[in-house]
Amino acid sequence: ETGVTQTPRHLVMGMTNKKSLKCEQHLGHNAMYWYKQSAKKPLELMFVYNFKEQTENNSVPSRFSPECPNSSHLFLHLHTLQPEDSALYLCASSHQRYNEQFFGPGTRLTVL
Amino acid sequence: GQQLNQSPQSMFIQEGEDVSMNCTSSSIFNTWLWYKQEPGEGPVLLIALYKAGELTSNGRLTAQFGITRKDSFLNISASIPSDVGIYFCAGPSIDFGNEKLTFGTGTRLTIIP
Repeated sequence: ETGVTQTPRHLVMGMTNKKSLKCEQHLGHNAMYWYKQSAKKPLELMFVYNFKEQTENNSVPSRFSPECPNSSHLFLHLHTLQPEDSALYLCASSHQRYNEQFFGPGTRLTVL
Repeated sequence: GQQLNQSPQSMFIQEGEDVSMNCTSSSIFNTWLWYKQEPGEGPVLLIALYKAGELTSNGRLTAQFGITRKDSFLNISASIPSDVGIYFCAGPSIDFGNEKLTFGTGTRLTIIP
C-alpha cells in the first residue's frame, strides 16, 4: 500500500452537490494537511490537523469542511462549491507538524 | 509573509544535459525540502536538507543547503525523459505567528528528445 492515498482521483460535481474527498495515510504520521493547487499558483495550505485536532484553518470558505476521525484518515466535505473551486486537492502527512510532508496523488475536482 | 523564489521558472534541455536550479528566500530557513511533481500527481519528496552547507545526493540528484541559509540548489546530472516535471523547493517558516510549510514557485523542466 502506498504511503498516502486519496479517493476519488477525479470528481466532477455541480454547484448544488455535496461530495467528500478522502485521504488515508499508512505512514504512522501524526499530522495531516489539505492543500489546494490551482493552475499557475503556488500550493495553498487549507487545513492542518495534528493528533486529530485542527490546528490551522487558512481562511478557507465554510463550503469546505474538514474532518479527521483519527490520525490515519482525513476527509474534506464539499457543498455548494463554485466553479473557481476547481483545482487539484492534495492531502499530505508528516511525522511532526511542518517537517517533511508526504503527499497523496490528489483529487482533480471540476465544479460545473 | 515568507516567499521562496525559484529560478529559472522553466527549462528546456536536451536529454543527457545537466540541470541546475535554485531557490532563494529573503529570510533564513532551517530546513530545505525539494519536491518533484509530475502532471496529475502529488509532489514527491526528493531530498531534505537540515544544515547550512550540507550537500546531499539522491541518485543523479544533488541538493545543497546554502551557507547563508537563504538559498538552496538542486542539480540533476545526465537528464533522462522521466526527469520531466515541476520541481518545488519548500521550507518550514513562521508566518504571522503561525508555522507553515512555504513552497516555491516551481521550476518546470522539459526535456527535448
